[in-house]
Amino acid sequence: GQQVMQIPQYQHVQEGEDFTTYCNSSTTLSNIQWYKQRPGGHPVFLIQLVKSGEVKKQKRLTFQFGEAKKNSSLHITATQTTDVGTYFCAGYQGAQKLVFGQGTRLTINP
Amino acid sequence: DVKVTQSSRYLVKRTGEKVFLECVQDMDHENMFWYRQDPGLGLRLIYFSYDVKMKEKGDIPEGYSVSREKKERFSLILESASTNQTSMYLCASSPPFRGGKNIQYFGAGTRLSVL
Repeated sequence: GQQVMQIPQYQHVQEGEDFTTYCNSSTTLSNIQWYKQRPGGHPVFLIQLVKSGEVKKQKRLTFQFGEAKKNSSLHITATQTTDVGTYFCAGYQGAQKLVFGQGTRLTINP
Repeated sequence: DVKVTQSSRYLVKRTGEKVFLECVQDMDHENMFWYRQDPGLGLRLIYFSYDVKMKEKGDIPEGYSVSREKKERFSLILESASTNQTSMYLCASSPPFRGGKNIQYFGAGTRLSVL
C-alpha cells in the first residue's frame, strides 16, 4: 500500500532559526494535508495542497507540493517557541483513507 | 466548532481484559476513524467507518474490533487487551471525501496502559 515517509524524525533549533520537514510518498497523491500536534495535544489541521507545484503560505509557514505530487515540504521561517510540536503530513489513499507520515518533532531552544 | 469527544483521557487495564474506547462527534460527519499513535511510528489507522454499521480495516486491525450503531458514535474494542496495545488512541471524524477539503478532526486521545 501507499507509504508516506517524513524526515527528519526530530529537529532541535535555536529560536529564530528556520525549520523544514520533508514528506515523500511512494505513489502519486491526490492531495496532501499538514497537521500540527502540540505537546500533550491532538493533531490539528493546518492546510491542504491539491495542485501540482502549489505553494501556500500561512504567516511564517510555507507549504509546497511537488510537481509530481509525490512530495511536499513545510518550512518555518524564524521559529518561535509557539512553533514547538510534531508536524505530520498526510496523503489520501483511495477516497477515504488518509495515510500519515511518521511526523517531525520540533523542539526550540529559547 | 467541531467537537470529537473521547470518553477517557487515561485508562489502565489488565492483560486479558475487554476494553471499550468510546468516541462521539457532534458534526454529523459520515466518516470516523480510530488511530493509534506510538513514538516514531506516527498515526496508524486501525479501523474506519464511512457510515452507520459500516466498517473497514485499516493498517493494523489485528486485536481490535469496532462498532458503529449510531452516526455520532464510534467504539473501539480490545477483545483481550495485551501489553503491546499500550498506546495513545486517537479518534477522528470527517465529512465524506468529495474532492474538496476533507479535514479530519481529532479527539483529545486516550492514553491506554495495559499491565
